[in-house]
Amino acid sequence: SQTIHQWPATLVQPVGSPLSLECTVEGTSNPNLYWYRQAAGRGLQLLFYSVGIGQISSEVPQNLSASRPQDRQFILSSKKLLLSDSGFYLCAWSTGVPEAFFGQGTRLTVV
Amino acid sequence: AQKITQTQPGMFVQEKEAVTLDCTYDTSDQSYGLFWYKQPSSGEMIFLIYQGSYDEQNATEGRYSLNFQKARKSANLVISASQLGDSAMYFCAMREWAGNQFYFGTGTSLTVIP
Repeated sequence: SQTIHQWPATLVQPVGSPLSLECTVEGTSNPNLYWYRQAAGRGLQLLFYSVGIGQISSEVPQNLSASRPQDRQFILSSKKLLLSDSGFYLCAWSTGVPEAFFGQGTRLTVV
Repeated sequence: AQKITQTQPGMFVQEKEAVTLDCTYDTSDQSYGLFWYKQPSSGEMIFLIYQGSYDEQNATEGRYSLNFQKARKSANLVISASQLGDSAMYFCAMREWAGNQFYFGTGTSLTVIP
């Protein structure tokens, strides 16, 4: 069966530090992959999505970037974190069925 | 423009009663899918129900049904016989098949009262 792993679960980082969040999917090939951010009490904002290795589409200009070095690996990065980057980051995948499946999320607090 | 609009930030419902959570969407595509997800306080996103734009019948999954009105571009979620465990955030989402993006609304916080 397919599973999605997202880590770390929580992260506290100082302003100006780099960020790397990783997401991997098991049990499927060539999934569509997504990164979302959910600010406190807010909805899910689509940050990036990818339909294949090296193919990244950005939805909003921001302080973040994404990469897909392998078929089932999706990485969210930042060179210098801002306070406004705090939030709940969710990775999701979809293939073969309409719905998307989500990881457990990473709670990022920038201090 | 917002792709998904959920106008109810918070809703309350008595246990065992039915509740409707509103969702409207905006797309010029003919082929798309509509979804509802539940997010408990733990943060996980749980898929509830799906409706395709070409489906003529409203989708149902157990106590969940999706009231799809294509001309009005609405996709309301109806939860029947509410349970205390239904208290959570509920998100409406849309997927345009041409682009593969999933867009989510701002969510509705549902509280079930004993």
